[in-house]
Amino acid sequence: QVQLVQSGAEVKKPGASVVVSCKASAYTFSDYYIHWVRQAPGQRLEWMGRIHPDSGGPYYAPTFEGRVTMTRDTSIYTAYMELNTLKSDDTAVYYCSLHNPSLREYFVQWGQGTLVTVSS
Amino acid sequence: EIQMMQSPVTLSVSPGERATLSCRASESLSSHLAWYQQKPGQAPRLLIYDVSTRATDTPARFSGSGSGTEFTLTISSLQSEDFALYYCQQTHRWPLTFGGGTKVEIK
Repeated sequence: QVQLVQSGAEVKKPGASVVVSCKASAYTFSDYYIHWVRQAPGQRLEWMGRIHPDSGGPYYAPTFEGRVTMTRDTSIYTAYMELNTLKSDDTAVYYCSLHNPSLREYFVQWGQGTLVTVSS
Repeated sequence: EIQMMQSPVTLSVSPGERATLSCRASESLSSHLAWYQQKPGQAPRLLIYDVSTRATDTPARFSGSGSGTEFTLTISSLQSEDFALYYCQQTHRWPLTFGGGTKVEIK
């Protein structure tokens, strides 16, 4: 069955960068767009952007433009999300998720989440 | 960006009863709305998309309705596994946005 497995929890200092990976399996990698969504403690889900699986073309939500980079490596079916200049309010669980381009951006599958803690 | 507002924040319901959750958008969404269920320590799970289409494996006791700016998720007879957080999401215009969530708890 379709599965997304994310990298493990990270602890970072303010100003640092973090990279979260998302490895896909059991589907054709090019069939779904990969999105990133985060959830700060007790907060609503927040969409960060998405990457086209074939072209690698990204789209970033305005809140994150200039601070986030989304990439993918098709040879190992893995997507990456890098967030720079971390602040304490970037502490959150970061999820990758899949969207079938034949539908609107509904997230049919999610990774297990990666907790990123930003603390001095 | 489109603002999404959910009510109530918490809904206390007895097992077997009906639950009605509301979601309001700051502008018309056409039919571009989804509902997700999230349990503690888990990722969200897609329940309903395009306002009223059940996702794969979503039980028939879940139904969605509404149009324009007002939407409803109804759980006809709450089962123990339905006590969770529920979020609505708009896909009408980027950036995609989510509501603040409704927690359905056992009364």
